[in-house]
Amino acid sequence: AQSVTQPDIHITVSEGASLELRCNYSYGATPYLFWYVQSPGQGLQLLLKYFSGDTLVQGIKGFEAEFKRSQSSFNLRKPSVHWSDAAEYFCAVAFPNFGNEKLTFGTGTRLTIIP
Amino acid sequence: SQTIHQWPATLVQPVGSPLSLECTVEGTSNPNLYWYRQAAGRGLQLLFYSVGIGQISSEVPQNLSASRPQDRQFILSSKKLLLSDSGFYLCAWSVRRQNTEAFFGQGTRLTVV
Repeated sequence: AQSVTQPDIHITVSEGASLELRCNYSYGATPYLFWYVQSPGQGLQLLLKYFSGDTLVQGIKGFEAEFKRSQSSFNLRKPSVHWSDAAEYFCAVAFPNFGNEKLTFGTGTRLTIIP
Repeated sequence: SQTIHQWPATLVQPVGSPLSLECTVEGTSNPNLYWYRQAAGRGLQLLFYSVGIGQISSEVPQNLSASRPQDRQFILSSKKLLLSDSGFYLCAWSVRRQNTEAFFGQGTRLTVV
């Protein structure tokens, strides 16, 4: 079955340090890939998306993600985190061959920033 | 520009009571509409999606139902709430038949007591 996995439930990094959040999917072809961020008690905001083309995509708030077909991964990165980046991050995929655009989400990674 | 409204923001309901959560989208036509539920540590679970008026697909068996009486209105309902229905409910929309992301409302925190 098609699925998306975020192996890290909780990550803690120091302010100013680099960040990488992992995302892997299971699917026979290339899905559409997304990263969303959620602040406590809020809805989800799109950080970036990949449909095709350049495998390194830039998003808002200084985030980027790289699609690696060989690893079925779409990891999110930021070179230097800020305290305001503390939030929950969700990777999501959509499988176009199924005739609709519904998103399947990973279980999320909670990011804590320490001074 | 497109906006999505979801209400109420918070709701406390007794077990066995009915539920109605409403979501409306402005600034677009014929959107795909979605209801997700978020439980702690379990990510977002797709409950229902709709590609048109009166067209509802259910993803998981549950105590809830959804309806789409108008093109840009999506309602989540229950006749009798269970304790397990507590959670954070998110409505979302996307452009039909295009490679775009989903746009989310601010969510409703439902506590069943």
